Amino acid sequence: GQNIDQPTEMTATEGAIVQINCTYQTSGFNGLFWYQQHAGEAPTFLSYNVLDGLEEKGRFSSFLSRSKGYSYLLLKELQMKDSASYLCAVTDSNYQLIWGAGTKLIIKP
Amino acid sequence: GAVVSQHPSRVICKSGTSVKIECRSLDFQATTMFWYRQFPKKSLMLMATSNEGSKATYEQGVEKDKFLINHASLTLSTLTVTSAHPEDSSFYICSARKDRVDYEQYFGPGTRLTVT
Repeated sequence: GQNIDQPTEMTATEGAIVQINCTYQTSGFNGLFWYQQHAGEAPTFLSYNVLDGLEEKGRFSSFLSRSKGYSYLLLKELQMKDSASYLCAVTDSNYQLIWGAGTKLIIKP
Repeated sequence: GAVVSQHPSRVICKSGTSVKIECRSLDFQATTMFWYRQFPKKSLMLMATSNEGSKATYEQGVEKDKFLINHASLTLSTLTVTSAHPEDSSFYICSARKDRVDYEQYFGPGTRLTVT
């Protein structure tokens, strides 16, 4: 079956760095997404990786290793507004998005 | 840009009634639209995929006669929850994709449905 695993919850301190991991097993691979979702709101796009390596975008970076079925989202200089759920999603061979359950990130002052 | 709107943002209805939710792509044509449901503190659950001009493809366990989906044009899809019950209360989110190989889905802001 298809499966995406990510931690349920993480806690970090304002100003620090946090890494959210995601491992996946899917039928085919056409890219991996990270989305941010604040409570009661729809997801917003953060990043997309289809090739191995690190993609940096401001305070957020996303890494992919296709051979390991592994990705991480790195958040630097954490701000209180970064408190949200972070969803990992993989596009399979049929271009369907397979969603992880999300990681709730709690930022403490 | 790629903006998707949903209407209404919140709706309260009585048990047994039907409610329609609209999803519109405002500045692009969406060949495919997706309908998701999300329970509190849970991830998105894909309900169905709809392509313009054809019948929606429902995920296993989703009742197609209860959740009617119409994708009448390249910019509009509707989800009608028929004979709503309190257990249908949820956050419904639509997304749209420009074409089959466009990697990104553009999400609407979601609709909070409460059935009393």
